Amino acid sequence: AQKVTQAQTEISVVEKEDVTLDCVYETRDTTYYLFWYKQPPSGELVFLIRRNSFDEQNEISGRYSWNFQKSTSSFNFTITASQVVDSAVYFCATPNFGNEKLTFGTGTRLTIIP
Amino acid sequence: DTGVSQDPRHKITKRGQNVTFRCDPISEHNRLYWYRQTLGQGPEFLTYFQNEAQLEKSRLLSDRFSAERPKGSFSTLEIQRTEQGDSAMYLCASSRGGGGIQETQYFGPGTRLLVL
Repeated sequence: AQKVTQAQTEISVVEKEDVTLDCVYETRDTTYYLFWYKQPPSGELVFLIRRNSFDEQNEISGRYSWNFQKSTSSFNFTITASQVVDSAVYFCATPNFGNEKLTFGTGTRLTIIP
Repeated sequence: DTGVSQDPRHKITKRGQNVTFRCDPISEHNRLYWYRQTLGQGPEFLTYFQNEAQLEKSRLLSDRFSAERPKGSFSTLEIQRTEQGDSAMYLCASSRGGGGIQETQYFGPGTRLLVL
């Protein structure tokens, strides 16, 4: 069964600092996907990125970047020059192959201090 | 593109009462998922539909829970004889799914249930 570990429960950084959120996954599937979602105080889960296991290239989208390393089963998320609006709970997730039901980590609560 | 909507956003009920939640997925999305999220935890899978067929139910979904998706459009999740342990955020998601490719699930705003 899939398992996702987000060891960092809470992180606080001062605005404009860079911050990295860790995600370690376990899966028996040879082909798999990894996701990051953001959950602001309003409660809605906002999709950030989907990455498949064939593509190990790092991805950058504005201030966001993701580092996928199959050798360490990690898919870490970095926010550069953090802003107050980045304050949220961030979840890493991986689906079961076939039915796509997502297994989530316990999330990392990120607080950006102005 | 209209996102996933859920109704109501908040529900307070007394123990023993029945409640029903509604989810409207993104149009043309044939897969619809229900998740439950308790405080400090990530969402946990409850059940999902491929069009109108309910394909899988989690062991978390006791006999008091029932979900439907008539005509493969909106879905309802009903909880009978609510218990205080049912207090949680109930999240709905939809995706294009079913084509052999793991599609992205887009989530609604959730229904926050409090059972007194």
